[in-house]
Amino acid sequence: NFMLTQPHSVSESPGKTVIISCTRNSGNIANNYIQWYQQRPGSAPTTVIYEDNQRPSGVPDRFSGSIDSSSNSAYLTISGLRTDDEADYYCQSYNLNNNVFGGGTKLTVL
Amino acid sequence: EVQLVQSGAEVKKPGESLRISCQGSGYRFFDYWISWVRQMPGKGLEWMGKVDPSDSKTNYSPSFQGHVSISVDRSISTAYLQWSSLEASDTAIYYCEVGSSYWGQGTLVTVSS
Repeated sequence: NFMLTQPHSVSESPGKTVIISCTRNSGNIANNYIQWYQQRPGSAPTTVIYEDNQRPSGVPDRFSGSIDSSSNSAYLTISGLRTDDEADYYCQSYNLNNNVFGGGTKLTVL
Repeated sequence: EVQLVQSGAEVKKPGESLRISCQGSGYRFFDYWISWVRQMPGKGLEWMGKVDPSDSKTNYSPSFQGHVSISVDRSISTAYLQWSSLEASDTAIYYCEVGSSYWGQGTLVTVSS
């Protein structure tokens, strides 16, 4: 099976832009869609990006997703940071019949 | 509006059995696999397995194969996650998820003697 590696934590100031990486250790990142989930403390996860770069309705365009085959990584970019963007963010992908989550990144907006 | 409504919190003893549920509405129930995801206290998300509501076919993560069972009742648009013998390490919040887009509210399972 494969693994998805995320930084344990990132921090940035309100109004700035942050990029969270998700690196796949085997297999081509572009072969299977990447999803990104936001989880605020005490709440269920919600989807902010699906199928690499698609936003569900209601998710602001401050959130965007991208794939870079050269680094075998996916990226979640959040621009115009707000204090309520502070949360844990998880990437997720799959192969054959198995789904895999990254370990999660704690975003602090200070 | 797509909704996934999960059953309420459970407190069980080690060795007991348990079945928790996830009822879907607002979409064609047969169109999307339903996954179950575990979140242990203070930890990240772990994919456990999924069921295809159209034919009840299941796939499990190797980490959970043999320890849990996933099933579906198409007549009431409900998926289940079941244990035959709980362990203290099963204490966690369990989420159902559909289409990589919709999540249930979570079910807290506490296993303690």
